[in-house]
Amino acid sequence: AQKVTQAQTEISVVEKEDVTLDCVYETRDTTYYLFWYKQPPSGELVFLIRRNSFDEQNEISGRYSWNFQKSTSSFNFTITASQVVDSAVYFCALSPNFGNEKLTFGTGTRLTIIP
Amino acid sequence: DVKVTQSSRYLVKRTGEKVFLECVQDMDHENMFWYRQDPGLGLRLIYFSYDVKMKEKGDIPEGYSVSREKKERFSLILESASTNQTSMYLCASSSLLAGVEEQFFGPGTRLTVL
Repeated sequence: AQKVTQAQTEISVVEKEDVTLDCVYETRDTTYYLFWYKQPPSGELVFLIRRNSFDEQNEISGRYSWNFQKSTSSFNFTITASQVVDSAVYFCALSPNFGNEKLTFGTGTRLTIIP
Repeated sequence: DVKVTQSSRYLVKRTGEKVFLECVQDMDHENMFWYRQDPGLGLRLIYFSYDVKMKEKGDIPEGYSVSREKKERFSLILESASTNQTSMYLCASSSLLAGVEEQFFGPGTRLTVL
């Protein structure tokens, strides 16, 4: 069985601070994919990143960065110099095999950026 | 622009009614999914389909059924709605054949069962 844990239910930070969202996963598969999605107040989930289990390189995209560590089964997401537009619910998810099959989601972290 | 659309953003139904939630995608994706989202529980998979007329149970299929008669359309059916089915319902699609990395989500239908 697969499981994704996002222990932080809600986080609030002041604008321009850095913030890290934690994600810990469990799986028995040797090949799997990890995802982060953003759900702004409009409700539609927006894809941010996919990482496969064979690629432990950290990823940076603008103010966003992801740290994947198989040794600790974690896939953490950091926003640098946060902005009000980053306020949303963020979901971490796990999928077996090819990565766009059925997803197991965490419970989400609600991030509020205070102006 | 790729798109997944859902028939209603908000829906109010009465206990015992039969409810249809419709989802349409215009990307020719072979995979389609129905999730429900509840506070503190995240998104949970109800049913999914890998092809026309095919369906597979997800993690919480009880009380639901699905229909996929055409590739672009995936319907979620509540045979006899109950108050514990009040939730946000999200449809998604993806394609292995097209090499798509992620699932694309619709805007969601917020269903209230009274």
